[in-house]
Amino acid sequence: ILNVEQSPQSLHVQEGDSTNFTCSFPSSNFYALHWYRWETAKSPEALFVMTLNGDEKKKGRISATLNTKEGYSYLYIKGSQPEDSATYLCAFNFGNEKLTFGTGTRLTIIP
Amino acid sequence: DGGITQSPKYLFRKEGQNVTLSCEQNLNHDAMYWYRQDPGQGLRLIYYSQIVNDFQKGDIAEGYSVSREKKESFPLTVTSAQKNPTAFYLCASSLTAGAGANVLTFGAGSRLTVL
Repeated sequence: ILNVEQSPQSLHVQEGDSTNFTCSFPSSNFYALHWYRWETAKSPEALFVMTLNGDEKKKGRISATLNTKEGYSYLYIKGSQPEDSATYLCAFNFGNEKLTFGTGTRLTIIP
Repeated sequence: DGGITQSPKYLFRKEGQNVTLSCEQNLNHDAMYWYRQDPGQGLRLIYYSQIVNDFQKGDIAEGYSVSREKKESFPLTVTSAQKNPTAFYLCASSLTAGAGANVLTFGAGSRLTVL
């Protein structure tokens, strides 16, 4: 069974501050890495799908980087806002039909 | 608006009863998936279907069954053989088969509680 580790498990960030968290995955047989945002009482929503080493993707104040050789991805949020409060999930794929999900990082923005 | 509809949102079941969770999508996606969430664990794949009339077991298929008679629909039956059925269930779909680089669209989930 492949393991995807996310850290930290939870964090509280002051509104306006920037933050980042990590997704670690097996570096062998890498195919794709997904990031999803899951707000309470809503459906998980896709943020990024990354496939190439060195990939950097950006969506508004949120960006992500990917290092497939060492097996990690960082998600950055610049200037946190209350609406950023959510659980952020990463998921790893090594070329088949399955995604292996991490347990998520629960982010709470303090007004 | 296109999306995935799961029903019911909450469901209570007595031990020994089968229960079916509904998942409908109007996105014209080929592939559909069922995941289970338990506290402190990542989403785990129960079953997936890449095309109508075909489906495959995921990592935790025991005690569950599915059907894919229509492209839009992928119901999940939780049978009495599932030892720990109390959980949150998420349905998802993707445009084509092969979850690798295909974005998943999720439903809002169904919470099943066994009394």
